[in-house]
Amino acid sequence: KAGVTQTPRYLIKTRGQQVTLSCSPISGHRSVSWYQQTPGQGLQFLFEYFSETQRNKGNFPGRFSGRQFSNSRSEMNVSTLELGDSALYLCASSWELNTEAFFGQGTRLTVV
Amino acid sequence: AQRVTQPEKLLSVFKGAPVELKCNYSYSGSPELFWYVQYSRQRLQLLLRHISRESIKGFTADLNKGETSFHLKKPFAQEEDSAMYYCALSPYSGAGSYQLTFGKGTKLSVIP
Repeated sequence: KAGVTQTPRYLIKTRGQQVTLSCSPISGHRSVSWYQQTPGQGLQFLFEYFSETQRNKGNFPGRFSGRQFSNSRSEMNVSTLELGDSALYLCASSWELNTEAFFGQGTRLTVV
Repeated sequence: AQRVTQPEKLLSVFKGAPVELKCNYSYSGSPELFWYVQYSRQRLQLLLRHISRESIKGFTADLNKGETSFHLKKPFAQEEDSAMYYCALSPYSGAGSYQLTFGKGTKLSVIP
């Protein structure tokens, strides 16, 4: 079956702009989590959605937001981009709690 | 707040030698611990989780609650084990991969 798909794979944005990243989970998976990966901070949890509801949020400013649609696809949005937002953004999907999460290949965002 | 520490950024071993990747954590509750692996140009994937007590690809990891450690071990390293390894913690035991806190990772290099 198809894996977790993230689009686009690469993005270059200018400071102050906003960006939307997309994640299509594995068919049947209802939970989608987002992570930010940077060389300095490593992998950090952003938020997790289940059945269109945000269940938990990591320690990120309000500029980072997300949502999940009825087909379980998820988007995350970052407004007023800063240079420090440059990172690899990973999405992971799982069927339910206590099941393995499968990661996408990520979207590499560069803010200039 | 929870924290995961992987003290070694890079670990080089010879093929056939034993491998031990260290992971220490801090969390006041009963977490679930995982090891994730990322091979070159591949996605992050689950290697094993403490709750399942499995041996995957010859790797094992035992949760030591007294020492708050979850070290990954393999008796005989193979060249195909070369990869980036991440230790991760979920604050909800039995919750699977929900809201993971990752260590910074250890790059394992197996020398032929």
